[in-house]
Amino acid sequence: NAGVTQTPKFQVLKTGQSMTLQCAQDMNHEYMSWYRQDPGMGLRLIHYSVGAGITDQGEVPNGYNVSRSTTEDFPLRLLSAAPSQTSVYFCASSFSPRGGEQFFGPGTRLTVL
Amino acid sequence: TQLLEQSPQFLSIQEGENLTVYCNSSSVFSSLQWYRQEPGEGPVLLVTVVTGGEVKKLKRLTFQFGDARKDSSLHITAAQPGDTGLYLCAGAGGNQFYFGTGTSLTVIP
Repeated sequence: NAGVTQTPKFQVLKTGQSMTLQCAQDMNHEYMSWYRQDPGMGLRLIHYSVGAGITDQGEVPNGYNVSRSTTEDFPLRLLSAAPSQTSVYFCASSFSPRGGEQFFGPGTRLTVL
Repeated sequence: TQLLEQSPQFLSIQEGENLTVYCNSSSVFSSLQWYRQEPGEGPVLLVTVVTGGEVKKLKRLTFQFGDARKDSSLHITAAQPGDTGLYLCAGAGGNQFYFGTGTSLTVIP
């Protein structure tokens, strides 16, 4: 099993550009989520999904969109990149949001100029 | 809103010393997890505690969940350089996980 995969690993964008961060898991997990990690702030939840076709907002959803058309994939879209979105983004999956172990991808380091 | 506060934020100790990291909240969680993260990688789960007052041991690491399920601690005995990393606590509530601010530990040989 590959676990949770993320692409790309690094990305540089200009302000106003859009892009999609890809996330896939092969563990048949229903729960998937996106976090951003900034120095001194731990991990903050952007969006999450409890199953295909179901998504919801986390703590910091503004400027990001998600969709979940399949169990395996959970892409994160930046609509119009801003310097405040410079961060490291992690995708995670879990069998259950109620205390189940979260498996994290390797992260995408995004810089917005 | 940061629901979980960790202390200390940074910790630098000599090999062989003991240390404790704290994770505190005013909210009640159904379970609490501890993760360790190494540079350039995603967090990896160390332990999940579910019951108030629960104590779990993982080799030299001891985890405790507060009686009221609002706080937790991680104690490392005889720290080794391989323990170096970022330690994160995470509380499960509803359909979300809430992460703490993190404790960056450096163990000097």
